[in-house]
Amino acid sequence: AQSVTQPDIHITVSEGASLELRCNYSYGATPYLFWYVQSPGQGLQLLLKYFSGDTLVQGIKGFEAEFKRSQSSFNLRKPSVHWSDAAEYFCAVGVDGGSNYKLTFGKGTLLTVNP
Amino acid sequence: GAVVSQHPSWVICKSGTSVKIECRSLDFQATTMFWYRQFPKQSLMLMATSNEGSKATYEQGVEKDKFLINHASLTLSTLTVTSAHPEDSSFYICSASQDTYGYTFGSGTRLTVV
Repeated sequence: AQSVTQPDIHITVSEGASLELRCNYSYGATPYLFWYVQSPGQGLQLLLKYFSGDTLVQGIKGFEAEFKRSQSSFNLRKPSVHWSDAAEYFCAVGVDGGSNYKLTFGKGTLLTVNP
Repeated sequence: GAVVSQHPSWVICKSGTSVKIECRSLDFQATTMFWYRQFPKQSLMLMATSNEGSKATYEQGVEKDKFLINHASLTLSTLTVTSAHPEDSSFYICSASQDTYGYTFGSGTRLTVV
């Protein structure tokens, strides 16, 4: 069965600093990979996704992620964090479920941004 | 862009009563919608896949008689929590797909059973 591991439960960075959130997946085939962000009490917003092609994916809000098959990783990065980036971040893998695919989420990483 | 509306945003109900949560795709048709449950400071757990015009497919361990799902049209899926108890208190989120390449999530419903 597929699984997603986000090793860091909570990360704190200073505003303007760079950010990298780690994500490792376990899946037998080439996965569909996603990063979502969730503000408190809200739904999830898609930051970026990888299906195929270029392994460096650009997303919204200045985020990017790199798919590394050899490391089974899909880490999220941002060169300069803004206070508004404080939120919960979820990595997910999409698994083919026939006519659609199902998402399996990691446990999330809570990002705190210090002024 | 694709928008999914979920209603209500929060609801408080008495133990033993039923609660209905609606998930609507506002500007696209969704043949498939998904329902998730999220416990505090936890990840999202897929509860069921809702297919328009057919029965929902429930994940292992989810009580289909407690969590009734109806997907009567291409823009509306409903989740009814029947005979709710305090342990059903949680954050419920739906998602819908406009195409093969991504899902849009609703803003979630906070259910508190007292």
